[in-house]
Amino acid sequence: AQKVTQAQTEISVVEKEDVTLDCVYETRDTTYYLFWYKQPPSGELVFLIRRNSFDEQNEISGRYSWNFQKSTSSFNFTITASQVVDSAVYFCALSEPGGSYIPTFGRGTSLIVHP
Amino acid sequence: NAGVTQTPKFRVLKTGQSMTLLCAQDMNHEYMYWYRQDPGMGLRLIHYSVGEGTTAKGKVPDGYNVSRLKKQNFLLGLESAAPSQTSVYFCASDSGGLPYEQYFGPGTRLTVT
Repeated sequence: AQKVTQAQTEISVVEKEDVTLDCVYETRDTTYYLFWYKQPPSGELVFLIRRNSFDEQNEISGRYSWNFQKSTSSFNFTITASQVVDSAVYFCALSEPGGSYIPTFGRGTSLIVHP
Repeated sequence: NAGVTQTPKFRVLKTGQSMTLLCAQDMNHEYMYWYRQDPGMGLRLIHYSVGEGTTAKGKVPDGYNVSRLKKQNFLLGLESAAPSQTSVYFCASDSGGLPYEQYFGPGTRLTVT
């Protein structure tokens, strides 16, 4: 069975701090995808990244970076120099093979960035 | 650039009533999904489609039906609404392959009394 754990329910930081959101997953599949999404207070959902299980290279996009480590089954998300606009709930997800890859979502981490 | 649109945005139903939620995308995506989001939880996949004329069950399909008669539209139906179906429903579409892109609709807040 697939499982995604986001152990941090809520994180509170002050603007300009770096913050890492943890994501630990469980799967028996060797082929899968990992995702991160952002849900700001307005409620919309924004896709951030998809990572193939065969690609363990870290990814950087502006202030965002992702660290994928198969050895620890983790796919952590770091925001550098956080800003108030980063305040949101962030979801990690794991998708299993089958059709279009059926996703399992974590419960989310609420990030609050104080000015 | 509309992306993914959903109608309606809000709806209140009485137990036993039926309704259809419409999702439309203008990006020529093959894959479309219907999710529900309940408080304190991530999204749960209800049904999905890998192309026009195809549908498949997700993780919580009971009480819902779907149809994808046209590539750009994915309909979610509730035949006999129950209070347990009170939720926020999101539609999504993605490109499947590379370059990968995925977009969500704005959501439909459904209350069943």
